[in-house]
Amino acid sequence: AQSVTQLGSHVSVSEGALVLLRCNYSSSVPPYLFWYVQYPNQGLQLLLKYTTGATLVKGINGFEAEFKKSETSFHLTKPSAHMSDAAEYFCAVSVRFSGGYNKLIFGAGTRLAVHP
Amino acid sequence: GAGVSQTPSNKVTEKGKYVELRCDPISGHTALYWYRQSLGQGPEFLIYFQGTGAADDSGLPNDRFFAVRPEGSVSTLKIQRTERGDSAVYLCASSLVTSNTQYFGPGTRLTVL
Repeated sequence: AQSVTQLGSHVSVSEGALVLLRCNYSSSVPPYLFWYVQYPNQGLQLLLKYTTGATLVKGINGFEAEFKKSETSFHLTKPSAHMSDAAEYFCAVSVRFSGGYNKLIFGAGTRLAVHP
Repeated sequence: GAGVSQTPSNKVTEKGKYVELRCDPISGHTALYWYRQSLGQGPEFLIYFQGTGAADDSGLPNDRFFAVRPEGSVSTLKIQRTERGDSAVYLCASSLVTSNTQYFGPGTRLTVL
């Protein structure tokens, strides 16, 4: 069965510092992987996704993630944190079914705090 | 264009009452999903619609939960005899059936007193 583990429920960084949010997955088939961001009282916004091809994926707002099959990881990074990056971040793996649809299996989330 | 919309944004009800939560997907998206996000957790799959039919309802926790999508667009999630444990944010997402990317609405925060 597919699952997602996000290490660290809370991460705090200084403005301008590197952001690293960790995600490990378990999947019996080649995975589709996603990072979503959730701002307070809002829905989930897609940051980036990996399906096939290049393992380094670039997303919105300067974020990127690297798919490492050997480590079953899909960590999210940003070189320099902004105050506006403070939010909750969810890693997800997509399970594709024979009917052609996808279920998303989410991690528990990591709350990112950015301080001046 | 317009994104996924959900109404109401907040719903407070008493234990035992019936509630309906509405989702209006992105126009042209035939795939529609409902997820439930409990406090401190990631969203969990409830049900998937392809067009008007519920193709996968394996995530519905029990028979108090039911969802419909009669015209293949707007969907309503219905909860009977609500319990305090039903308190959560209910998220709706839609996608093109050929796509692996789901677009989420802002959610409905349900509080059962």
